[in-house]
Amino acid sequence: DVKVTQSSRYLVKRTGEKVFLECVQDMDHENMFWYRQDPGLGLRLIYFSYDVKMKEKGDIPEGYSVSREKKERFSLILESASTNQTSMYLCASSFHREEHEQYFGPGTRLTVT
Amino acid sequence: SQQGEEDPQALSIQEGENATMNCSYKTSINNLQWYRQNSGRGLVHLILIRSNEREKHSGRLRVTLDTSKKSSSLLITASRAADTASYFCATDGDNTDKLIFGTGTRLQVFP
Repeated sequence: DVKVTQSSRYLVKRTGEKVFLECVQDMDHENMFWYRQDPGLGLRLIYFSYDVKMKEKGDIPEGYSVSREKKERFSLILESASTNQTSMYLCASSFHREEHEQYFGPGTRLTVT
Repeated sequence: SQQGEEDPQALSIQEGENATMNCSYKTSINNLQWYRQNSGRGLVHLILIRSNEREKHSGRLRVTLDTSKKSSSLLITASRAADTASYFCATDGDNTDKLIFGTGTRLQVFP
């Protein structure tokens, strides 16, 4: 079974703090993704990565950066957390092929106060 | 850039009834997928239908795809209380590695 794990289920941070969200997958997937999910807006792609040290911006990259130093690990970084980044963050991974279902982690609910 | 729009936004039914959710999208696709999300959890892949397929079944799930209308439907037959969740369609648009998700249908099945 594919397993995608995220470092925290719940996180509370203060405005201006640097926040790290970690995601690890154990299926040797090439692709990894970070989404945020907000009520009424569905899932929006923040960043994705096709390979180690490779990253591409998604639809809403502003205020975020990512790091992929190892194939199995993809980190999302909030350089200076703001209240409008309070959200559910979901990590996913998939193979690099045409029929590529994504496997999701359990999510991290981040609250920025 | 939202590709998929689900309809209805919310659906309430009794156990044993069928539930139908619809998805419309905007651009050409290679495949369309449906996912399920239990409250506060990650998404789980349910079924994938290729652009050259019209219908696909998996257990109590039936998915149809009409590429001429750019729409898909997910039918859950003989629903159970455990089917209560949000359901999302996702399309690959012009990039086969990325998926674009709709806003989802919240399904409530009452015992």
